[in-house]
Amino acid sequence: NAGVMQNPRHLVRRRGQEARLRCSPMKGHSHVYWYRQLPEEGLKFMVYLQKENIIDESGMPKERFSAEFPKEGPSILRIQQVVRGDSAAYFCASSRPPYNEQFFGPGTRLTVL
Amino acid sequence: AQSVTQLGSHVSVSEGALVLLRCNYSSSVPPYLFWYVQYPNQGLQLLLKYTSAATLVKGINGFEAEFKKSETSFHLTKPSAHMSDAAEYFCAVIYGGSQGNLIFGKGTKLSVKP
Repeated sequence: NAGVMQNPRHLVRRRGQEARLRCSPMKGHSHVYWYRQLPEEGLKFMVYLQKENIIDESGMPKERFSAEFPKEGPSILRIQQVVRGDSAAYFCASSRPPYNEQFFGPGTRLTVL
Repeated sequence: AQSVTQLGSHVSVSEGALVLLRCNYSSSVPPYLFWYVQYPNQGLQLLLKYTSAATLVKGINGFEAEFKKSETSFHLTKPSAHMSDAAEYFCAVIYGGSQGNLIFGKGTKLSVKP
């Protein structure tokens, strides 16, 4: 029973590059949430996806950030033209229906040089 | 705005002492409530959750939390702290009307002194 998988665990990018973060939910889970943890801050919701659908992206920055959860394969959080302020830990969580327990992955720690 | 407040960003206790971590939510409608623990450089692990079945909720590792509607609180307690409890603890809420996303408090770092 594999848990939520995220890769890479650590990602280093230079300013202006693209970052792609991957999340494979637990088996049987069709709901994926992305959260961001900035230094000295709590976790903030970014986006909620079901297979092939974005349900709620109210926490996503308006520019440079996008997310998808295709019919096959992992969910992807994509950050274009990264800036230093994007340096953070990005966590993915999965669940069955919403309002149920969300299981978290180990996170991807993004460092922008 | 809907929010979660955790009083005290750092709490220090002696080994064997009572642990009390405070959490208040901001809604007149009882939400779904959770406590998560995060060890350094790791993901979040669920300690316990409140889903209206009982006001006193027991979780893993000897932790429990009591839902008090009149105080809009969901404080986390453990009778006797262990060195391995040192970690950061997050209270989180799912409010009705949302799509199920968690709203987190800012976290409380627990230190346990020998």
